[in-house]
Amino acid sequence: EIVLTQSPGTLSLSPGERATLSCRASQSVSSRHLAWYQQRPGQAPRLLIYDTSSRATGIPDRFSGSGSGTDFTLTISRLEPEDFAVYYCQQYHSPRGMFGQGTKVEIK
Amino acid sequence: QITLKESGPMLVKPTQTLTLTCTFSGFSSTTRGVGVGWVRQSPGQALEWLAIIYWDDNDRYSPSLRSRATLTRDTSKKQVVLTVTNMDPVDTGTYYCVLVTNGAFSIKRPYFAHWGQGTPVTVSS
Repeated sequence: EIVLTQSPGTLSLSPGERATLSCRASQSVSSRHLAWYQQRPGQAPRLLIYDTSSRATGIPDRFSGSGSGTDFTLTISRLEPEDFAVYYCQQYHSPRGMFGQGTKVEIK
Repeated sequence: QITLKESGPMLVKPTQTLTLTCTFSGFSSTTRGVGVGWVRQSPGQALEWLAIIYWDDNDRYSPSLRSRATLTRDTSKKQVVLTVTNMDPVDTGTYYCVLVTNGAFSIKRPYFAHWGQGTPVTVSS
């Protein structure tokens, strides 16, 4: 099974700064089969990125995804107040489609 | 507008059966590529998808549920029902109904395009 490790566990940044979140897979993942989700406190997760770099409907272009093989990145170019949340990656290359443990982006 | 709403008991006892209903709107569960399923978020654990039923009547279950889970679909009511037998305290968590839109092919590789608000379930005597 492909296991995902997200780093860092917590990222402390200020509004306006750039956030770079990492998701590393234990085995190679087809570049089409990696998604990112955002979960704000008290809310359900929301799809941000699918197929590594495609933004879901309504997602601002400050969110971008990249990567291939075993290393994937979610970048938030300039943090807005509503972006402070937990972010999860998910691979859907293998049948179990497992999620990472999450990275919390908190206000510094 | 796509919506998914979960309903069911908040508390079940160990060994009992859990039945959760997802009522959805804004799409058809028989449209090619569509799947409706469930993802669980347990305290201190990663998100985990549990089960999905697809437009072509194929269904998929997480190995972690083994043979305890069953999905049924009522297209006229626009509902999907998840039944999990022999509940255990480790099954405690928030259960989300989710929409899959990339299930058109025989090999299912789902990501979750839309989520319901979630319903908390506690398993305790």
